[in-house]
Amino acid sequence: SQTIHQWPATLVQPVGSPLSLECTVEGTSNPNLYWYRQAAGRGLQLLFYSVGIGQISSEVPQNLSASRPQDRQFILSSKKLLLSDSGFYLCAWSGPGGPRLAGKETQYFGPGTRLLVL
Amino acid sequence: SQQGEEDPQALSIQEGENATMNCSYKTSINNLQWYRQNSGRGLVHLILIRSNEREKHSGRLRVTLDTSKKSSSLLITASRAADTASYFCATGISGGSYIPTFGRGTSLIVHP
Repeated sequence: SQTIHQWPATLVQPVGSPLSLECTVEGTSNPNLYWYRQAAGRGLQLLFYSVGIGQISSEVPQNLSASRPQDRQFILSSKKLLLSDSGFYLCAWSGPGGPRLAGKETQYFGPGTRLLVL
Repeated sequence: SQQGEEDPQALSIQEGENATMNCSYKTSINNLQWYRQNSGRGLVHLILIRSNEREKHSGRLRVTLDTSKKSSSLLITASRAADTASYFCATGISGGSYIPTFGRGTSLIVHP
């Protein structure tokens, strides 16, 4: 069966410090991968998605970046954190084969990383 | 911007009662999904309904879709305290990427 891992679970970082959040998926190949941010009491904001190694699409301009160095690894990074980067970061995967294909809509989420920037 | 918007924002009921949440959206969709999120956890997929379907059932869950009104409802029958969570609808827009767009969610509290 497929599983998705995120770490760390909780992170407290000072403003201006770098960030690296990691997400890995097991039990599937060539998944589509996603990073979301959820502010308190708000919905999910799609940050990045990837349909393959080295292929990253950015949904919103910001000081965050994403990379996919391996098929089942997705990394969210920042060189300098802002206070507004605080939130709950969720990684998700969906069925392989790329977007725009029926049957790939369901997403499976990791446990999330709670980031507090002080 | 949010495509789907859930209503109500918060719902408080007693165990055993039914809980109904609604989702309205703005543009044509291929499908609509409902997800559940327990506090501080990731989202869990509950059910997907396609634009050519009107109703789907899964256990105590019943989802309806009215494309003419651009709305969907999620009914949880005989609720339990363990159903306490936030519920999100996510819409897949026709003609666009299949990536679902999430609403802000309905916070459901079921009192034992």
